[in-house]
Amino acid sequence: ILNVEQSPQSLHVQEGDSTNFTCSFPSSNFYALHWYRWETAKSPEALFVMTLNGDEKKKGRISATLNTKEGYSYLYIKGSQPEDSATYLCAFTGTASKLTFGTGTRLQVTL
Amino acid sequence: DAGVTQSPTHLIKTRGQQVTLRCSPKSGHDTVSWYQQALGQGPQFIFQYYEEEERQRGNFPDRFSGHQFPNYSSELNVNALLLGDSALYLCASSLDPTTYNEQFFGPGTRLTVL
Repeated sequence: ILNVEQSPQSLHVQEGDSTNFTCSFPSSNFYALHWYRWETAKSPEALFVMTLNGDEKKKGRISATLNTKEGYSYLYIKGSQPEDSATYLCAFTGTASKLTFGTGTRLQVTL
Repeated sequence: DAGVTQSPTHLIKTRGQQVTLRCSPKSGHDTVSWYQQALGQGPQFIFQYYEEEERQRGNFPDRFSGHQFPNYSSELNVNALLLGDSALYLCASSLDPTTYNEQFFGPGTRLTVL
């Protein structure tokens, strides 16, 4: 059984704060790690696909790092804005092509 | 490009009934995966269809079945509904099942079983 764990479960920050979340996953049979951003009543939106140990990806104020040897990834948001409020999901892909998701981190950014 | 679309948006059924959910993949995509998200959990993989065949299946009973049509659209069927089948059902499409498995999701169908 593959366990993908995310922490914290929820997070409440003020506008302008920087924040980060953690995703831990099995370090064996690693193929890719995905981050999704999911706003209420919308489709999950792909942020990053990371495949190599040491990978760092960036999109605007959001960035992510990957450590496949120890099985974790961090997602960082710099200068949080209210529009960043969403659930952030990570998903692991091993030898099979399915995605195994964590339970997500719910971020709420207030003014 | 309309992206991944799902229908219906919401559905209410009673125990024992059968339900069919529909998914149209993103233009050009040939692989469709279905996920179930129960309250408080992350999406759980149900199965994946490619070339009209079920390629992989998650840990779901045979009451869950699917189909993929020649135009790559897909249906998810659930028979003998249980209260525990109440969930958000997500469809995801991808271009090639052998890539990094980047999948594009629809907004989901919310199923409530009474």
